Amino acid sequence: DSGVTQTPKHLITATGQRVTLRCSPRSGDLSVYWYQQSLDQGLQFLIQYYNGEERAKGNILERFSAQQFPDLHSELNLSSLELGDSALYFCASSVGRGRNTIYFGEGSWLTVV
Amino acid sequence: AQKITQTQPGMFVQEKEAVTLDCTYDTSDPSYGLFWYKQPSSGEMIFLIYQGSYDQQNATEGRYSLNFQKARKSANLVISASQLGDSAMYFCAIEGSSNTGKLIFGQGTTLQVKP
Repeated sequence: DSGVTQTPKHLITATGQRVTLRCSPRSGDLSVYWYQQSLDQGLQFLIQYYNGEERAKGNILERFSAQQFPDLHSELNLSSLELGDSALYFCASSVGRGRNTIYFGEGSWLTVV
Repeated sequence: AQKITQTQPGMFVQEKEAVTLDCTYDTSDPSYGLFWYKQPSSGEMIFLIYQGSYDQQNATEGRYSLNFQKARKSANLVISASQLGDSAMYFCAIEGSSNTGKLIFGQGTTLQVKP
């Protein structure tokens, strides 16, 4: 158990809908990261927050947004969902802003039908 | 831009034997970190080992060790005394000097341990 908690573990939704994925980082970790894993794209970095502020952005679509709250938990919002958004979404956390061990949660499996 | 190449899509190893999973990287950053993760069929990503580019010694964590050859830009993972539970997908990743924690992953290597 990495200590990173993600909910829900599995989610099936229809195209055009909006979902929210939730992440609680490990105790004491200030950085939260979101990654997407799909068969065609592999593991892709989406976005990072550090202590509530956006720190780095990757290939995150405009339909996706994220935030980190004062209690350090984070949410990833996916809207206007398309079939291609079906993927495993990981949250990860680390103590600092970088060059620290990054621990991943178990992921949220999203299926868009 | 940074890149990770894992050239072995699939590997087999006999139980109790050692196996090496290859990883080469490309980066122009003077300082970087290299990570290995294990992903079992259940899907979670499990951190295995970390090597900093300026670390003097190769990293080791239990049965995992990293054969880091900086001049050749390779960071191969060595698993000693393979166990059936080692069967999984293994990913190599690099973090650059931006210190953001943004990891660039390779395509992964599937390891199957035979009894």
